[in-house]
Amino acid sequence: QKEVEQDPGPLSVPEGAIVSLNCTYSNSAFQYFMWYRQYSRKGPELLMYTYSSGNKEDGRFTAQVDKSSKYISLFIRDSQPSDSATYLCAMSLITGGGNKLTFGTGTQLKVEL
Amino acid sequence: DVKVTQSSRYLVKRTGEKVFLECVQDMDHENMFWYRQDPGLGLRLIYFSYDVKMKEKGDIPEGYSVSREKKERFSLILESASTNQTSMYLCASSLLRGQNQPQHFGDGTRLSIL
Repeated sequence: QKEVEQDPGPLSVPEGAIVSLNCTYSNSAFQYFMWYRQYSRKGPELLMYTYSSGNKEDGRFTAQVDKSSKYISLFIRDSQPSDSATYLCAMSLITGGGNKLTFGTGTQLKVEL
Repeated sequence: DVKVTQSSRYLVKRTGEKVFLECVQDMDHENMFWYRQDPGLGLRLIYFSYDVKMKEKGDIPEGYSVSREKKERFSLILESASTNQTSMYLCASSLLRGQNQPQHFGDGTRLSIL
């Protein structure tokens, strides 16, 4: 079983829809949770990060963490064609000399006009 | 903004060649990382470094080595390239050693081994 599970999609939604992207994890030692967006042929770009359970909002994006259920979500409101990308969840814990990130495999999102 | 620059976007090499991938960051970050990204497998950590001349193995170090002679530069070396090393290679950096924090990525090098 992978430490982090993420539905690969593809997920196709109409413009303006609310999108929900999700990851589950098995390691309760994860302390820090991130979402990255990756456009085709580009590197991952950090969208949001949070330590604690609960919601964190940034513009059209909301990150939600439920540590008791080992579940994180990213919500995108009023989705736009420019949101079409692969979304990666990532989780961090301190080990040895540094922090290691464990990534989900990514969910491919397409927002259609 | 943090800038992580990888020297090549696309690279084609032959089996058995020694291959060097270069990465430079401009924000005085302590930590640097090398990942490979493959469809269905996601990002997997090859090596990381939290200081000059220091290195730690990641999850898949076999067939790779690294070099960090200067703080801003982290090189990945494929000692004898093989076809199963065809992949997208991503370099990343983060600010401080020993703290939970996001990593910032370059745009990747798509490496093909023929």
